[in-house]
Amino acid sequence: DVKVTQSSRYLVKRTGEKVFLECVQDMDHENMFWYRQDPGLGLRLIYFSYDVKMKEKGDIPEGYSVSREKKERFSLILESASTNQTSMYLCASSLGFGYTFGSGTRLTVV
Amino acid sequence: GESVGLHLPTLSVQEGDNSIINCAYSNSASDYFIWYKQESGKGPQFIIDIRSNMDKRQGQRVTVLLNKTVKHLSLQIAATQPGDSAVYFCAESLGNSGNTPLVFGKGTRLSVIA
Repeated sequence: DVKVTQSSRYLVKRTGEKVFLECVQDMDHENMFWYRQDPGLGLRLIYFSYDVKMKEKGDIPEGYSVSREKKERFSLILESASTNQTSMYLCASSLGFGYTFGSGTRLTVV
Repeated sequence: GESVGLHLPTLSVQEGDNSIINCAYSNSASDYFIWYKQESGKGPQFIIDIRSNMDKRQGQRVTVLLNKTVKHLSLQIAATQPGDSAVYFCAESLGNSGNTPLVFGKGTRLSVIA
């Protein structure tokens, strides 16, 4: 069964900390995406990548960066976590149109 | 349909009834549409998709209807079951290669009453 695995289901971090959210896919997909999900706002795109070492900004990239050093791994980095980054973070990968999502990481910044 | 704001649109249906979840999409140039289902504590899962050259597509117990004239998409679930309780998202794609990120609606919460 194909998988997108997010390293943590729940994280609690302090304001100002540098936070790494990891995502690994085993489907040899070219495309990977990071979304955040907030009640009533749906899924909003943070960053995406179509290939190793490349990245594109999504709709809400401020306060975030990404890294894709290997095809299967796409990391989301919160350079200095703030309380307004408390959210559910979803990683997805795709070969074409359909996405496969991970189970999400619920991040709380205190 | 989709609403702006902090409250998720909700739909409550009796078990065994048919459900219709609506979505208004934003761009008349969109050429691919997907419905996702998200159960509590899980990531969204693909349900069904449709291209803009079609107006209807059927799956197992689900049908997607596309009305390009009014930019409206709907998901019909036949004989709704308790396991259908979830948040449903529509998504549209503006590209034709699959490399353009999907744009998601805000979601509708379906509650099935046993």
